[in-house]
Amino acid sequence: GAVVSQHPSRVICKSGTSVKIECRSLDFQATTMFWYRQFPKKSLMLMATSNEGSKATYEQGVEKDKFLINHASLTLSTLTVTSAHPEDSSFYICSAFTGGDTQYFGPGTRLTVL
Amino acid sequence: KQEVTQIPAALSVPEGENLVLNCSFTDSAIYNLQWFRQDPGKGLTSLLLIQSSQREQTSGRLNASLDKSSGRSTLYIAASQPGDSATYLCAVRTGANNLFFGTGTRLTVIP
Repeated sequence: GAVVSQHPSRVICKSGTSVKIECRSLDFQATTMFWYRQFPKKSLMLMATSNEGSKATYEQGVEKDKFLINHASLTLSTLTVTSAHPEDSSFYICSAFTGGDTQYFGPGTRLTVL
Repeated sequence: KQEVTQIPAALSVPEGENLVLNCSFTDSAIYNLQWFRQDPGKGLTSLLLIQSSQREQTSGRLNASLDKSSGRSTLYIAASQPGDSATYLCAVRTGANNLFFGTGTRLTVIP
């Protein structure tokens, strides 16, 4: 089956620093990639949708200047959390969509901001 | 806006028992519905996908049903095993190619 990887799997950073998370589709091309955030014991909340070569579409309440998304190729999307604060600590999951019925999810990245 | 609710939030059963997880959604205009499994600190594994025109799907000990008109889906797990312990999420896909996730049911199967 299709594989989506995320890197890093876990990151701890100091408040005020920026963190970049990579999402790659390893054996297929993803026309669309989604970024989700999941707080402890909560469900996944969509943050933004990105299509290769165009600007991401952010969900209401998600600051686009804080969560920078780049989808430069059909196999790579990056999420950069700029000037991270403790409230940004969460589990970030990406998924890739090829236009069929199924989204393929990455294993997630645990971000802890001290 | 689509809202997806799962009941119960947590469930604990002895090994070997059959169980049912429930999912309800507010807008019946869906493209399909998926059930996922999530292990602690991990990503999502797709279990079953039901198209809006289908009534059920089966995979091994898992059976998922869909009643689109009433906005309900169930996931039936037969002969539960400790390895089934995880959080189960249902998600509905709308025409906007987005998945709306439920709140999840945390299942514990006791050996």
